[in-house]
Amino acid sequence: EPEVTQTPSHQVTQMGQEVILRCVPISNHLYFYWYRQILGQKVEFLVSFYNNEISEKSEIFDDQFSVERPDGSNFTLKIRSTKLEDSAMYFCASSDARKKNTGELFFGEGSRLTVL
Amino acid sequence: QKEVEQNSGPLSVPEGAIASLNCTYSDRGSQSFFWYRQYSGKSPELIMFIYSNGDKEDGRFTAQLNKASQYVSLLIRDSQPSDSATYLCAVIGGGFKTIFGAGTRLFVKA
Repeated sequence: EPEVTQTPSHQVTQMGQEVILRCVPISNHLYFYWYRQILGQKVEFLVSFYNNEISEKSEIFDDQFSVERPDGSNFTLKIRSTKLEDSAMYFCASSDARKKNTGELFFGEGSRLTVL
Repeated sequence: QKEVEQNSGPLSVPEGAIASLNCTYSDRGSQSFFWYRQYSGKSPELIMFIYSNGDKEDGRFTAQLNKASQYVSLLIRDSQPSDSATYLCAVIGGGFKTIFGAGTRLFVKA
């Protein structure tokens, strides 16, 4: 069964460093997303991506964050100058827009980011 | 601010009982409604989706939607210890952005 894969599963970084989280969405999906979940809190929307551009972003997704689809398979989230409060689980998800109104999200296993 | 509200729980039910989980949402224009299950330390996985008012059944799960009241619920019949997890209500309004509630923790006691 196709799945969304994320790397790394866990990354520890120093405050102020740049981090890139990588995702390979399901191959025939057209919408891609990043969500984050701070420990014990809700799953929060960061950004959606369609047709090689951001379609929507939340207030959290400020200039510190960027997304890219550098090739036909990878979807990356870059966090510049990480802060302590960026420590969270980051989930990549994809959905099949051709299944109109389905909107089911398929999540990767997550990348846990720890900022020291 | 478009919100999805859930009782955080924990909701504790004995094995074999019916678990009832509830959710309200603020965006009256919301079209699609979902229940995801999240085990501790894992990613959310879809349990059910519902688009129309009324009930939708899938095995032991029944989703109920009342758009006039902006209310969604999930019933789990014959609850099993393996159902113990956090259940996330999620809503799509305009566009393709899914907004999640904070989740209700369910404990099923053997």
